[in-house]
Amino acid sequence: DAGVIQSPRHEVTEMGQEVTLRCKPISGHNSLFWYRQTMMRGLELLIYFNNNVPIDDSGMPEDRFSAKMPNASFSTLKIQPSEPRDSAVYFCASTKNRGQPQHFGDGTRLSIL
Amino acid sequence: GDSVTQMEGPVTLSEEAFLTINCTYTATGYPSLFWYVQYPGEGLQLLLKATKADDKGSNKGFEATYRKETTSFHLEKGSVQVSDSAVYFCALNRDDKIIFGKGTRLHILP
Repeated sequence: DAGVIQSPRHEVTEMGQEVTLRCKPISGHNSLFWYRQTMMRGLELLIYFNNNVPIDDSGMPEDRFSAKMPNASFSTLKIQPSEPRDSAVYFCASTKNRGQPQHFGDGTRLSIL
Repeated sequence: GDSVTQMEGPVTLSEEAFLTINCTYTATGYPSLFWYVQYPGEGLQLLLKATKADDKGSNKGFEATYRKETTSFHLEKGSVQVSDSAVYFCALNRDDKIIFGKGTRLHILP
């Protein structure tokens, strides 16, 4: 089975630009999670969805961040406008059932200049 | 609230040395416990898990035992290899979410 697929793997853009990160969860998984990883703060949960519905977005840092899951096989995380402090590795993960281990994608390394 | 505390790194060992990475947790009830590993440039991968007290999870020579009395889930390996160099995360599940420790970076020298 294909794992969690994220795109792009790397993104470099200038501050103020809109950034869209994409994620395809494992087929049949009904929960999807977006994380941000930095050296300073480690791994932070931004938002998660269950059956395409956002359940907890308390980790989203600012209104500049938004996430959608229009169907069971696709999710986006958008930053508009982007700032240099948004530079990080963003991971998407999915899981089939509550309490089960999460499966992670390889991440998107985002650099905002 | 629930939390996971693991030893700070980096941890540097020689090949074939014995490894212990300490992990303790604070949680209500009896969550499942996990160890994840992150190799450079990759996402986190599940290394092993334990779902109830006294369970021992094991994989690739790594082991960890769910100790309710000490609220611990220490990771051990008898003989590490250079290829074990990575960041290791201890974690517990709480409802729909997984709560991660801050990670411990492990360097194995040949």
